Amino acid sequence: AQSVTQLGSHVSVSEGALVLLRCNYSSSVPPYLFWYVQYPNQGLQLLLKYTSAATLVKGINGFEAEFKKSETSFHLTKPSAHMSDAAEYFCAVMRGGSGTYKYIFGTGTRLKVLA
Amino acid sequence: DSGVTQTPKHLITATGQRVTLRCSPRSGDLSVYWYQQSLDQGLQFLIQYYNGEERAKGNILERFSAQQFPDLHSELNLSSLELGDSALYFCASSVTDSSSYEQYFGPGTRLTVT
Repeated sequence: AQSVTQLGSHVSVSEGALVLLRCNYSSSVPPYLFWYVQYPNQGLQLLLKYTSAATLVKGINGFEAEFKKSETSFHLTKPSAHMSDAAEYFCAVMRGGSGTYKYIFGTGTRLKVLA
Repeated sequence: DSGVTQTPKHLITATGQRVTLRCSPRSGDLSVYWYQQSLDQGLQFLIQYYNGEERAKGNILERFSAQQFPDLHSELNLSSLELGDSALYFCASSVTDSSSYEQYFGPGTRLTVT
């Protein structure tokens, strides 16, 4: 069964520092992978998605993620954190077939940016 | 603004009651998904509809039901409510039911059962 594991439920970085949020997936076939962000009191917003076109995926707000099949990872990075990046981040894998697709979400990582 | 609307934004009700949550997908989107987000369970997929038909079921309780209407809006009905049903309920929509299409999430309905 496909699933995702997010390492670290809370991550703190200083403003201007590198952001690294970890996501590992388990899948018997190349998956579709997504990163979503949830700001306080809001719904989820798509940051980026991997659909096998390119292993390095660039998303919105300066975020990017690299699909590494050998490590079954899809870590999210941003070179320089901004205060506005403080939010909860979810990694998700799409599961299913024949029209019955659904997301399996990780447990989320709450990012705190320190001034 | 994702283009997905959900009403109401907040709902407070008592145990044993029944409530209906409403979702309007983005214009042109045929698929609607319902999710429950709680502190102890995280974000859980409940059910998916595509063009009026049920397509996939997740961890949806028998006390919960949903439907998608001809105008593509969807309703999630929660009955015999329990304290543990208190959560954020999100609706999401996508263009088709293909796995490569991202989902657009609404702002959610916060349900509090007292």
